Amino acid sequence: GDSVTQMEGPVTLSEEAFLTINCTYTATGYPSLFWYVQYPGEGLQLLLKATKADDKGSNKGFEATYRKETTSFHLEKGSVQVSDSAVYFCALSDYNQGGKLIFGQGTELSVKP
Amino acid sequence: DTAVSQTPKYLVTQMGNDKSIKCEQNLGHDTMYWYKQDSKKFLKIMFSYNNKELIINETVPNRFSPKSPDKAHLNLHINSLELGDSAVYFCASSQGGAGNSPLHFGNGTRLTVT
Repeated sequence: GDSVTQMEGPVTLSEEAFLTINCTYTATGYPSLFWYVQYPGEGLQLLLKATKADDKGSNKGFEATYRKETTSFHLEKGSVQVSDSAVYFCALSDYNQGGKLIFGQGTELSVKP
Repeated sequence: DTAVSQTPKYLVTQMGNDKSIKCEQNLGHDTMYWYKQDSKKFLKIMFSYNNKELIINETVPNRFSPKSPDKAHLNLHINSLELGDSAVYFCASSQGGAGNSPLHFGNGTRLTVT
């Protein structure tokens, strides 16, 4: 079945460092791809999404590009802040799988001042 | 206004008990979900309802029974609780399937079974 794999955490960075969180997927169809973020003690929130190959999703300085040839959707941010500390989830939704959202295992990010 | 609200926030109970978690959304969405997040933060879908009809039922033990009295509510009842049921349970809603519109999550219910 469909699946999502993220780089292992935790990731610890200093403020203003460059962030990359790797995400790759396997899918039988043509999925939509998402990044969700979970701040401590809260539910998940959509960060960005891309629905077709070469689409770039962006929000709050974060970006990810849907790469069909490498089945990847890596999350990047040029300069992280302490307030970006959270758990980041890559996810896909595939119509062939009933449209449900399948999550990666999550990557914890900790940004130090 | 809270968009997706779950109660209770914390639930501590003993093995063998029966408990319920309630969820309500005021977004007017037609689809609601229950997800389970384990201690390693891994999220797995349990159930999905569309307009009160069950559309996704993953391999969840029969002890878990969702109930949707109307499209704004999706409650989760758990019978004969086991230690392995300890987790954070998230309710979510969307308009249409997850690929069409983003999921809006509640803040979770942390269930601890002792």
